[in-house]
Amino acid sequence: QKEVEQNSGPLSVPEGAIASLNCTYSDRGSQSFFWYRQYSGKSPELIMSIYSNGDKEDGRFTAQLNKASQYVSLLIRDSQPSDSATYLCAVMTRSGGSNYKLTFGKGTLLTVNP
Amino acid sequence: KAGVTQTPRYLIKTRGQQVTLSCSPISGHRSVSWYQQTPGQGLQFLFEYFSETQRNKGNFPGRFSGRQFSNSRSEMNVSTLELGDSALYLCASSLWTGGIETYEQYFGPGTRLTVT
Repeated sequence: QKEVEQNSGPLSVPEGAIASLNCTYSDRGSQSFFWYRQYSGKSPELIMSIYSNGDKEDGRFTAQLNKASQYVSLLIRDSQPSDSATYLCAVMTRSGGSNYKLTFGKGTLLTVNP
Repeated sequence: KAGVTQTPRYLIKTRGQQVTLSCSPISGHRSVSWYQQTPGQGLQFLFEYFSETQRNKGNFPGRFSGRQFSNSRSEMNVSTLELGDSALYLCASSLWTGGIETYEQYFGPGTRLTVT
């Protein structure tokens, strides 16, 4: 049973374009949502967190959350070649009692072409 | 503030051996989670420790175990290594004071384990 799903890609966009990355999740009780960026050979780096419905902007990044549709997305404006990486969606889900865990999607590979 | 550190960074072991990996969380963080990352399966949750207690465990065999010390440093151990255990093992720490915004996890650089 897949709990967090992402398109594996690769998603290819030209430099300067908007890259749109999508993620759906199955646990309606999920409260916290995260986007991580992982360069090849490196560990994941947290780039955005979102906790309530709507948009959250941070520089060129905008996270969007729609809990009713169980959908979270990440927009990258003015994409740069340095944005080329795998983007991982993570969802905080309850795993029993007051315990939680992060469940990750398998990631979307983004390539930004100069 | 220093980030999450993991040692060793690279490890080559033979099938049947055991291995211990170490993780030091960000100062002040009491929650440490361990993950296995492989190309086919992605990031898989192993277990989480908080205040020296295992709070969560993923779907891995009992050969995978861990512990956390009073200074929040954590170790994970894999016994009787199999070829399929070759992976990047990642440790992540979070502040986790109970509020949902304190569950942000920050990853260390990982330990690349190769089993031959």
